[in-house]
Amino acid sequence: AQSVTQLDSQVPVFEEAPVELRCNYSSSVSVYLFWYVQYPNQGLQLLLKYLSGSTLVKGINGFEAEFNKSQTSFHLRKPSVHISDTAEYFCAVSDRGGAQKLVFGQGTRLTINP
Amino acid sequence: DADVTQTPRNRITKTGKRIMLECSQTKGHDRMYWYRQDPGLGLRLIYYSFDVKDINKGEISDGYSVSRQAQAKFSLSLESAIPNQTALYFCATSDPGTSGKTDTQYFGPGTRLTVL
Repeated sequence: AQSVTQLDSQVPVFEEAPVELRCNYSSSVSVYLFWYVQYPNQGLQLLLKYLSGSTLVKGINGFEAEFNKSQTSFHLRKPSVHISDTAEYFCAVSDRGGAQKLVFGQGTRLTINP
Repeated sequence: DADVTQTPRNRITKTGKRIMLECSQTKGHDRMYWYRQDPGLGLRLIYYSFDVKDINKGEISDGYSVSRQAQAKFSLSLESAIPNQTALYFCATSDPGTSGKTDTQYFGPGTRLTVL
């Protein structure tokens, strides 16, 4: 079974500042890793995903994440945030075989202040 | 038009009532999922279906049932709603592709259910 821990429930930052949202996971098997974003009153949208290959993954809207197998982490970063990045961000994992069900973290609410 | 639609978008009901939430998709995907979202808990899987004849329980299936009427339709029912089923419910779809491996899931806009 897999589990995901997002270490911060809320992250406030100023506009144009860098941000890192932290995600750690636990699994006894190899996994796929994902970050989804939920804008206010909307469904979830895929930001980026790690399936294999390069451990640095680039996604939409200038976000990137780095897979660190030894630390079982998949932290999300952006060098300069905008007001429009205000949203809730979810880290998720799925196993590579079997049913490949998504297991989500608790979410991190990112608030951008002007 | 949205690829994954959910109806209703909002519903208020009373304890003990039967409720059905519906999900339709035009993506042509075989795999469909129902999740509930609670503040501070993220999303948790209720049921999933890999084709019309395949229904599987997720992490929190107690108190829920599902029906896969067609490839494009997947309904979630609460036979006798209770207040702790108040939550935001999401439907999602995915496509295993030629490799047979699922990666990205595509989510509907959600149904906000309140049980009084």
